[in-house]
Amino acid sequence: ETGVTQSPTHLIKTRGQQVTLRCSSQSGHNTVSWYQQALGQGPQFIFQYYREEENGRGNFPPRFSGLQFPNYSSELNVNALELDDSALYLCASSTSGSVDEQFFGPGTRLTVL
Amino acid sequence: GNSVTQMEGPVTLSEEAFLTINCTYTATGYPSLFWYVQYPGEGLQLLLKATKADDKGSNKGFEATYRKETTSFHLEKGSVQVSDSAVYFCALSDQGFQKLVFGTGTRLLVSP
Repeated sequence: ETGVTQSPTHLIKTRGQQVTLRCSSQSGHNTVSWYQQALGQGPQFIFQYYREEENGRGNFPPRFSGLQFPNYSSELNVNALELDDSALYLCASSTSGSVDEQFFGPGTRLTVL
Repeated sequence: GNSVTQMEGPVTLSEEAFLTINCTYTATGYPSLFWYVQYPGEGLQLLLKATKADDKGSNKGFEATYRKETTSFHLEKGSVQVSDSAVYFCALSDQGFQKLVFGTGTRLLVSP
């Protein structure tokens, strides 16, 4: 059974650029949630996708957007990058939108200069 | 809104010492409670959970009891090992169980 994978591992961008992060969910999981973890902080919920539809959103601006594909993999897109977007971005997969059995990937470390 | 408060770290212990990491929460309704662990350079791993009041979650020698009367979910282990060195996050389920709300994390350092 393959776990949750994310790509790339690390990424460096400059202010104003756009970035796309990718997540492959665990086999059999139809829900992907994205979290932002700033240095020294706990993860903050960005949004969740369930069966290709957004199923809940945290307190993040519209320049954070996402997609989920028919194979349940997902992308997180961030436009007009700001310095404060520097963080570890985690995705987590689960079944049926429940967080009770949520499995996290290793994360993508984004640095914005 | 719902929130989680954890004790500040780092917590520094010698091997085989007793561990307690305090966690309290504020929530409407009856959330599930979780402890996650993050090893250096890795993502989060679920350590244990409890879904209702008085439930005790346990795994790998770690335990936590869901205390509704004190709104707490303290993590304990009787004898820590060097390999337990990591950052520990307390979390609750929110928004109809769609998302997790995390505390700021507590770093545990165990020396031989």
